[in-house]
Amino acid sequence: DTAVSQTPKYLVTQMGNDKSIKCEQNLGHDTMYWYKQDSKKFLKIMFSYNNKELIINETVPNRFSPKSPDKAHLNLHINSLELGDSAVYFCASSRTDGGLAKNIQYFGAGTRLSVL
Amino acid sequence: KNQVEQSPQSLIILEGKNCTLQCNYTVSPFSNLRWYKQDTGRGPVSLTIMTFSENTKSNGRYTATLDADTKQSSLHITASQLSDSASYICVVRSNDYKLSFGAGTTVTVRA
Repeated sequence: DTAVSQTPKYLVTQMGNDKSIKCEQNLGHDTMYWYKQDSKKFLKIMFSYNNKELIINETVPNRFSPKSPDKAHLNLHINSLELGDSAVYFCASSRTDGGLAKNIQYFGAGTRLSVL
Repeated sequence: KNQVEQSPQSLIILEGKNCTLQCNYTVSPFSNLRWYKQDTGRGPVSLTIMTFSENTKSNGRYTATLDADTKQSSLHITASQLSDSASYICVVRSNDYKLSFGAGTTVTVRA
């Protein structure tokens, strides 16, 4: 019944590796997001996808690439991992149409990435 | 640059007491302001969302206020419980759909 689910919950890997984090939502939302939360707990948006179209792309390295096979999924691929990529990554989804209440973002539980 | 500043950075309160968290923002043009609660090891969960025309909104023991003129918001927690221990994040959305996040206030409720 989890609304926004992301896997894996924990990811430990070495520098230089390529990894992916998966995200799925069953809320029927049309927009999905990826956030990075650093050690100071600051949430920073990385990407958002609306109907398979990238609408926000903050200044993140091009080693990070979002992939959306369909409206319910937004996966995050990271190439050539670096130490500074260690953080918690959150997936979220929302509806962009309709009233204010439907703009609420629903977050996944997070993926804690540790790069050694 | 749009900014959202929250204070205090952290606070400790005794169970049953009240507390108030502050959020000041410079986001313009303003669309709405949200308060999220983030438990340790979990994703943020929405508590309240307010537009410029709303001065106050409640969700159980949580009451948010908004002064769009001074660009200030507060989140008041009444009769705190141990389960209120979490980070509380203020998020402001502009009319161009961009979200600006505060750094959060960490609340610790002690028995």
